[in-house]
Amino acid sequence: GEDVEQSLFLSVREGDSSVINCTYTDSSSTYLYWYKQEPGAGLQLLTYIFSNMDMKQDQRLTVLLNKKDKHLSLRIADTQTGDSAIYFCAEKEGAGAGSYQLTFGKGTKLSVIP
Amino acid sequence: EAGVVQSPRYKIIEKKQPVAFWCNPISGHNTLYWYRQNLGQGPELLIRYENEEAVDDSQLPKDRFSAERLKGVDSTLKIQPAELGDSAVYLCASSLVARGTYNEQFFGPGTRLTVL
Repeated sequence: GEDVEQSLFLSVREGDSSVINCTYTDSSSTYLYWYKQEPGAGLQLLTYIFSNMDMKQDQRLTVLLNKKDKHLSLRIADTQTGDSAIYFCAEKEGAGAGSYQLTFGKGTKLSVIP
Repeated sequence: EAGVVQSPRYKIIEKKQPVAFWCNPISGHNTLYWYRQNLGQGPELLIRYENEEAVDDSQLPKDRFSAERLKGVDSTLKIQPAELGDSAVYLCASSLVARGTYNEQFFGPGTRLTVL
């Protein structure tokens, strides 16, 4: 079955860049996502990348996709204390309107040191 | 625009008791999902509805879990009887699934269930 792996913890200093890594196994994944979960809250979609892209940039966020190695990363530039949260990598299998199945990793807890 | 609403936010019950969770999706979203998130894990899908039809309930433990989505809007998820291992956060999400659209899932804040 599908599997998504992430490192569990990351600690960075405020102002530095954070890089959260993820590997996945399903080669048919069409979309890959990064979600953010703050304490006591639901998941908030941060960004996503389509499988035919290798990079996507959105303000402080940069997503890199290496489809050959099935490796996804999220870089947060100028990390702020408000970025402290758990970040989930997720993949969606299949394409088209009928595809919906998301497989999530266990999440990476990002701690930002002031 | 209001997001996905869930209630209650927290629930503590003793084992063998019943419990129910309620979800109101974003207006106009035809697809609704229930996920379970165990401590230190990512969410796992329990059931997916398209309008009022449960189109994927393969991960729902049917001996004790049930769900319904009457009129294709609000949904309830019930556990009867609850077991210690059911302690988790139950997340509801909704999306507008249509041809040619991205189908982003929007999540509610979840219900944290503690079974004693």
